Amino acid sequence: ETGVTQTPRHLVMGMTNKKSLKCEQHLGHNAMYWYKQSAKKPLELMFVYNFKEQTENNSVPSRFSPECPNSSHLFLHLHTLQPEDSALYLCASSGTGGVDQPQHFGDGTRLSIL
Amino acid sequence: AQSVAQPEDQVNVAEGNPLTVKCTYSVSGNPYLFWYVQYPNRGLQFLLKYITGDNLVKGSYGFEAEFNKSQTSFHLKKPSALVSDSALYFCAVRDPQENTDKLIFGTGTRLQVFP
Repeated sequence: ETGVTQTPRHLVMGMTNKKSLKCEQHLGHNAMYWYKQSAKKPLELMFVYNFKEQTENNSVPSRFSPECPNSSHLFLHLHTLQPEDSALYLCASSGTGGVDQPQHFGDGTRLSIL
Repeated sequence: AQSVAQPEDQVNVAEGNPLTVKCTYSVSGNPYLFWYVQYPNRGLQFLLKYITGDNLVKGSYGFEAEFNKSQTSFHLKKPSALVSDSALYFCAVRDPQENTDKLIFGTGTRLQVFP
Protein backbone atom coordinates (compact mmCIF):
# COMPACT_ATOMS: atom_id res chain seq x y z
CA GLU A 1 0.00 0.00 0.00
CA THR A 2 1.44 3.39 -0.95
CA GLY A 3 -1.21 5.57 0.70
CA VAL A 4 1.06 6.61 3.57
CA THR A 5 4.72 7.31 2.77
CA GLN A 6 7.44 7.74 5.37
CA THR A 7 10.94 9.04 4.80
CA PRO A 8 13.64 8.19 5.45
CA ARG A 9 13.20 4.43 5.87
CA HIS A 10 16.36 4.19 7.96
CA LEU A 11 18.14 6.80 10.06
CA VAL A 12 21.26 6.57 12.17
CA MET A 13 22.07 9.57 14.30
CA GLY A 14 24.18 10.60 17.23
CA MET A 15 22.67 11.81 20.47
CA THR A 16 23.54 15.43 19.72
CA ASN A 17 22.14 15.51 16.18
CA LYS A 18 18.93 17.08 15.00
CA LYS A 19 16.89 15.29 12.36
CA SER A 20 13.30 15.08 11.17
CA LEU A 21 11.04 12.24 10.11
CA LYS A 22 8.49 12.91 7.42
CA CYS A 23 5.10 11.35 6.75
CA GLU A 24 2.81 12.05 3.82
CA GLN A 25 -0.61 10.58 3.16
CA HIS A 26 -2.47 10.54 -0.15
CA LEU A 27 -5.75 9.17 1.17
CA GLY A 28 -7.62 12.40 1.88
CA HIS A 29 -7.61 11.66 5.60
CA ASN A 30 -7.84 14.29 8.29
CA ALA A 31 -6.29 12.50 11.26
CA MET A 32 -2.63 11.57 11.52
CA TYR A 33 -0.67 9.68 14.18
CA TRP A 34 2.86 8.94 15.33
CA TYR A 35 3.60 5.60 16.98
CA LYS A 36 6.76 4.12 18.47
CA GLN A 37 7.35 0.39 18.04
CA SER A 38 10.10 -1.14 20.17
CA ALA A 39 11.07 -4.78 20.34
CA LYS A 40 8.98 -6.79 22.80
CA LYS A 41 6.87 -3.79 23.82
CA PRO A 42 3.32 -2.81 22.83
CA LEU A 43 2.84 -0.25 20.11
CA GLU A 44 3.02 3.17 21.78
CA LEU A 45 0.86 6.02 20.57
CA MET A 46 2.87 9.26 20.69
CA PHE A 47 0.81 12.02 19.06
CA VAL A 48 -2.53 12.48 17.31
CA TYR A 49 -3.45 15.32 15.00
CA ASN A 50 -6.96 16.00 13.76
CA PHE A 51 -7.47 18.68 11.11
CA LYS A 52 -3.90 19.88 11.85
CA GLU A 53 -4.62 20.34 15.55
CA GLN A 54 -2.87 18.19 18.13
CA THR A 55 -5.48 16.23 20.06
CA GLU A 56 -3.26 13.79 21.90
CA ASN A 57 0.21 13.91 23.41
CA ASN A 58 0.87 10.68 25.22
CA SER A 59 3.41 12.06 27.71
CA VAL A 60 6.11 12.10 25.08
CA PRO A 61 9.48 13.67 26.08
CA SER A 62 10.11 17.12 24.65
CA ARG A 63 13.06 15.86 22.61
CA PHE A 64 10.34 14.68 20.19
CA SER A 65 8.56 17.60 18.57
CA PRO A 66 5.71 16.97 16.11
CA GLU A 67 4.57 19.32 13.38
CA CYS A 68 1.48 19.06 11.20
CA PRO A 69 1.45 21.87 8.62
CA ASN A 70 -1.58 20.46 6.79
CA SER A 71 -3.76 17.35 6.81
CA SER A 72 -1.49 15.51 4.38
CA HIS A 73 1.87 16.00 6.09
CA LEU A 74 3.23 15.14 9.50
CA PHE A 75 6.75 15.60 10.80
CA LEU A 76 8.57 14.41 13.88
CA HIS A 77 11.52 16.61 14.77
CA LEU A 78 14.20 14.88 16.82
CA HIS A 79 16.92 16.42 18.97
CA THR A 80 19.19 15.22 21.75
CA LEU A 81 17.83 11.69 21.60
CA GLN A 82 18.78 8.85 23.92
CA PRO A 83 19.80 5.27 23.04
CA GLU A 84 16.43 4.01 24.32
CA ASP A 85 14.77 6.06 21.57
CA SER A 86 16.04 3.57 18.99
CA ALA A 87 12.91 2.02 17.53
CA LEU A 88 10.65 1.83 14.50
CA TYR A 89 8.57 5.00 14.20
CA LEU A 90 5.29 4.50 12.42
CA CYS A 91 2.99 7.11 10.97
CA ALA A 92 -0.70 6.42 10.37
CA SER A 93 -3.72 8.27 9.09
CA SER A 94 -7.47 7.78 9.24
CA GLY A 95 -10.61 9.36 7.84
CA THR A 96 -13.07 11.38 9.83
CA GLY A 97 -16.09 9.30 8.92
CA GLY A 98 -16.19 8.16 12.52
CA VAL A 99 -14.18 6.25 15.07
CA ASP A 100 -14.98 3.03 13.24
CA GLN A 101 -12.50 3.97 10.52
CA PRO A 102 -9.29 1.88 10.43
CA GLN A 103 -5.91 3.52 10.55
CA HIS A 104 -3.61 3.18 7.55
CA PHE A 105 0.09 2.85 8.33
CA GLY A 106 3.28 3.76 6.55
CA ASP A 107 6.23 1.36 6.50
CA GLY A 108 8.03 3.26 9.22
CA THR A 109 11.42 4.82 9.85
CA ARG A 110 13.93 2.56 11.60
CA LEU A 111 15.82 4.90 13.92
CA SER A 112 19.13 3.97 15.53
CA ILE A 113 20.75 6.25 18.10
CA LEU A 114 24.49 5.87 18.51
CA ALA B 1 -10.13 1.96 30.80
CA GLN B 2 -9.75 0.22 27.48
CA SER B 3 -7.35 -2.68 27.12
CA VAL B 4 -6.68 -5.59 24.83
CA ALA B 5 -4.78 -8.81 25.50
CA GLN B 6 -3.15 -11.25 23.14
CA PRO B 7 -2.24 -14.15 25.41
CA GLU B 8 0.09 -15.93 22.98
CA ASP B 9 3.45 -14.47 21.95
CA GLN B 10 3.73 -17.03 19.16
CA VAL B 11 1.45 -19.46 17.36
CA ASN B 12 2.85 -22.27 15.25
CA VAL B 13 0.75 -24.09 12.68
CA ALA B 14 1.38 -26.40 9.75
CA GLU B 15 0.48 -25.20 6.28
CA GLY B 16 -3.05 -26.25 5.33
CA ASN B 17 -4.21 -26.48 8.93
CA PRO B 18 -6.68 -24.03 10.47
CA LEU B 19 -5.23 -21.23 12.56
CA THR B 20 -6.52 -19.15 15.44
CA VAL B 21 -4.90 -16.08 16.96
CA LYS B 22 -6.54 -15.06 20.23
CA CYS B 23 -7.61 -11.63 21.43
CA THR B 24 -9.62 -10.52 24.42
CA TYR B 25 -10.64 -6.97 25.23
CA SER B 26 -11.95 -4.76 27.99
CA VAL B 27 -13.98 -1.62 27.33
CA SER B 28 -16.77 0.12 29.18
CA GLY B 29 -19.16 0.19 26.23
CA ASN B 30 -19.61 -1.69 22.98
CA PRO B 31 -16.20 -2.11 21.37
CA TYR B 32 -14.89 -1.34 17.94
CA LEU B 33 -12.37 -4.12 17.21
CA PHE B 34 -9.66 -4.36 14.59
CA TRP B 35 -7.03 -6.81 13.39
CA TYR B 36 -3.81 -5.74 11.71
CA VAL B 37 -0.92 -7.72 10.23
CA GLN B 38 2.72 -6.65 10.05
CA TYR B 39 5.18 -8.28 7.66
CA PRO B 40 8.94 -7.84 8.18
CA ASN B 41 10.18 -4.31 7.55
CA ARG B 42 6.66 -3.08 6.83
CA GLY B 43 4.01 -1.08 8.62
CA LEU B 44 0.76 -2.48 9.94
CA GLN B 45 -1.86 -3.48 7.38
CA PHE B 46 -5.56 -3.44 8.20
CA LEU B 47 -7.17 -6.90 7.93
CA LEU B 48 -10.72 -6.54 9.25
CA LYS B 49 -12.93 -4.82 11.78
CA TYR B 50 -16.02 -5.43 13.87
CA ILE B 51 -18.29 -2.46 14.51
CA THR B 52 -21.79 -3.89 14.76
CA GLY B 53 -23.99 -6.55 13.21
CA ASP B 54 -22.97 -10.08 12.29
CA ASN B 55 -20.54 -11.52 14.82
CA LEU B 56 -18.49 -13.21 12.09
CA VAL B 57 -16.46 -10.69 10.13
CA LYS B 58 -14.59 -11.53 6.94
CA GLY B 59 -11.48 -9.67 5.90
CA SER B 60 -8.49 -9.68 3.61
CA TYR B 61 -6.44 -12.74 2.56
CA GLY B 62 -9.13 -15.20 3.67
CA PHE B 63 -9.03 -14.18 7.32
CA GLU B 64 -12.10 -13.88 9.49
CA ALA B 65 -12.78 -13.06 13.11
CA GLU B 66 -15.57 -13.86 15.50
CA PHE B 67 -16.87 -11.35 17.99
CA ASN B 68 -18.03 -12.98 21.22
CA LYS B 69 -19.53 -10.48 23.62
CA SER B 70 -20.01 -12.86 26.53
CA GLN B 71 -16.37 -13.94 26.40
CA THR B 72 -15.14 -10.44 25.40
CA SER B 73 -13.11 -12.05 22.65
CA PHE B 74 -12.34 -11.34 19.01
CA HIS B 75 -10.24 -14.26 17.79
CA LEU B 76 -8.71 -14.20 14.31
CA LYS B 77 -9.16 -17.34 12.23
CA LYS B 78 -8.33 -18.83 8.88
CA PRO B 79 -9.51 -22.25 7.68
CA SER B 80 -6.28 -23.16 5.88
CA ALA B 81 -2.96 -21.48 6.73
CA LEU B 82 -0.35 -20.52 4.14
CA VAL B 83 3.38 -20.12 4.70
CA SER B 84 2.96 -16.54 3.46
CA ASP B 85 0.64 -15.85 6.42
CA SER B 86 3.69 -15.91 8.70
CA ALA B 87 3.80 -12.44 10.24
CA LEU B 88 3.06 -10.44 13.37
CA TYR B 89 -0.64 -9.95 14.13
CA PHE B 90 -2.09 -7.16 16.26
CA CYS B 91 -5.55 -6.86 17.77
CA ALA B 92 -6.79 -3.35 18.60
CA VAL B 93 -9.81 -1.87 20.34
CA ARG B 94 -11.50 1.47 20.50
CA ASP B 95 -14.33 2.46 22.84
CA PRO B 96 -16.64 4.76 20.88
CA GLN B 97 -18.04 6.15 24.12
CA GLU B 98 -14.66 7.70 24.89
CA ASN B 99 -14.89 9.90 21.79
CA THR B 100 -11.23 9.51 20.96
CA ASP B 101 -9.18 8.68 17.90
CA LYS B 102 -7.02 6.47 20.08
CA LEU B 103 -6.64 2.78 19.22
CA ILE B 104 -5.36 0.48 21.95
CA PHE B 105 -3.17 -2.27 20.53
CA GLY B 106 -2.30 -5.66 21.94
CA THR B 107 1.30 -6.76 22.26
CA GLY B 108 1.11 -8.79 19.07
CA THR B 109 1.24 -12.50 18.24
CA ARG B 110 3.83 -13.92 15.92
CA LEU B 111 2.30 -16.49 13.58
CA GLN B 112 4.68 -19.05 12.13
CA VAL B 113 3.31 -21.34 9.42
CA PHE B 114 5.52 -24.31 8.64
CA PRO B 115 5.56 -26.02 5.22
